[in-house]
Amino acid sequence: AQSVTQLDSQVPVFEEAPVELRCNYSSSVSVYLFWYVQYPNQGLQLLLKYLSGSTLVKSINGFEAEFNKSQTSFHLRKPSVHISDTAEYFCAVSDSNTGNQFYFGTGTSLTVIP
Amino acid sequence: EAGVAQSPRYKIIEKRQSVAFWCNPISGHATLYWYQQILGQGPKLLIQFQNNGVVDDSQLPKDRFSAERLKGVDSTLKIQPAKLEDSAVYLCASSLVPYEAFFGQGTRLTVV
Repeated sequence: AQSVTQLDSQVPVFEEAPVELRCNYSSSVSVYLFWYVQYPNQGLQLLLKYLSGSTLVKSINGFEAEFNKSQTSFHLRKPSVHISDTAEYFCAVSDSNTGNQFYFGTGTSLTVIP
Repeated sequence: EAGVAQSPRYKIIEKRQSVAFWCNPISGHATLYWYQQILGQGPKLLIQFQNNGVVDDSQLPKDRFSAERLKGVDSTLKIQPAKLEDSAVYLCASSLVPYEAFFGQGTRLTVV
């Protein structure tokens, strides 16, 4: 069975500082990994995904995540955060055995402090 | 391109009442999902449709929850009777290709 662990429920960080949001997963088969962002009172938006190929994937707004199979991790990083990055971030996993379903972690609340 | 539409955005009901949520997926998307997001938790899949057929409803509490997708387009999710623990945000998502789901804004249900 799939499971996703987000180790930090809340992460406060000062504006322009770097941030890392941690995500670990458990799966016995090849997986596909995702980061979604949820702004207040809005739905989930896909931030980035790993399906195959390069283990480092990037988003258009400066976030990146690296798939590490040996560590079963998919941590999200940004070298310099902005106030507008304040949101809830969810890591999710899927694989072909689960019919394209997504299994989500419990989320990390990122608060950027001016 | 229009996104996934959900209504209502908010609903407050008393326990034991019934409630229904509506979802209009992105045009042409064959796969539709309903997720339940309880405060402080990640979304949990309730049911997945492929066109108008059910792919997986193993986590749907079938004694009180029901869902349908008529003609493979719009979908409704119903709860009858509601319990306090059903208070959550109900998210609808749709996808055209695997591993690329688009989510609606959700319906926030409060059961009092």
